[in-house]
Amino acid sequence: RKEVEQDPGPFNVPEGATVAFNCTYSNSASQSFFWYRQDCRKEPKLLMSVYSSGNEDGRFTAQLNRASQYISLLIRDSKLSDSATYLCAVTPISGNTPLVFGKGTRLSVIA
Amino acid sequence: NAGVTQTPKFQVLKTGQSMTLQCAQDMNHEYMSWYRQDPGMGLRLIHYSVGAGITDQGEVPNGYNVSRSTTEDFPLRLLSAAPSQTSVYFCASKSGTSAYNEQFFGPGTRLTVL
Repeated sequence: RKEVEQDPGPFNVPEGATVAFNCTYSNSASQSFFWYRQDCRKEPKLLMSVYSSGNEDGRFTAQLNRASQYISLLIRDSKLSDSATYLCAVTPISGNTPLVFGKGTRLSVIA
Repeated sequence: NAGVTQTPKFQVLKTGQSMTLQCAQDMNHEYMSWYRQDPGMGLRLIHYSVGAGITDQGEVPNGYNVSRSTTEDFPLRLLSAAPSQTSVYFCASKSGTSAYNEQFFGPGTRLTVL
């Protein structure tokens, strides 16, 4: 089983739709969790960290389910500008160990 | 701050040539790493460093060397380029050892090996 797995998509949704992505991780001792956004031919940029209690930033909500070992990202009221690839990332053990990334989920928001 | 910078942006090599991809950061980050990104493969870790003088291998280290003589710089050397090393290379850095510190990426180097 891969350390971090995501559905590659693509997810094609109309503007205004709500879309959710899941990401599963295999190491139950994983310490920290993130969602990154990557635009075409650009570098990944941090979208949000994922905390145990869940966290929200505007239209974006991230949640962590340690029992089932997955994290999720919910995007409400999708905009055309949300079209990108969303990468989940996990720190397997401690802060000094490298981030492990999923392969990314591609989202296209259509007018 | 310039953040994480990478040079060159694009490079074409012939099989067997060697070259160094440069990476520098001006945020005084202890932790630096190199990833390669290929279609359908996601970001795969090549090498990383937790501080000057300390490096370690990632998931796909073969064919690459690194050194970390200063906090700011973390060059990646391709010893003898192969077509399988055609990829986009990203350098990244983050501060300290906290698991929740943000990791910043450079803009990438697009490498083609003929």
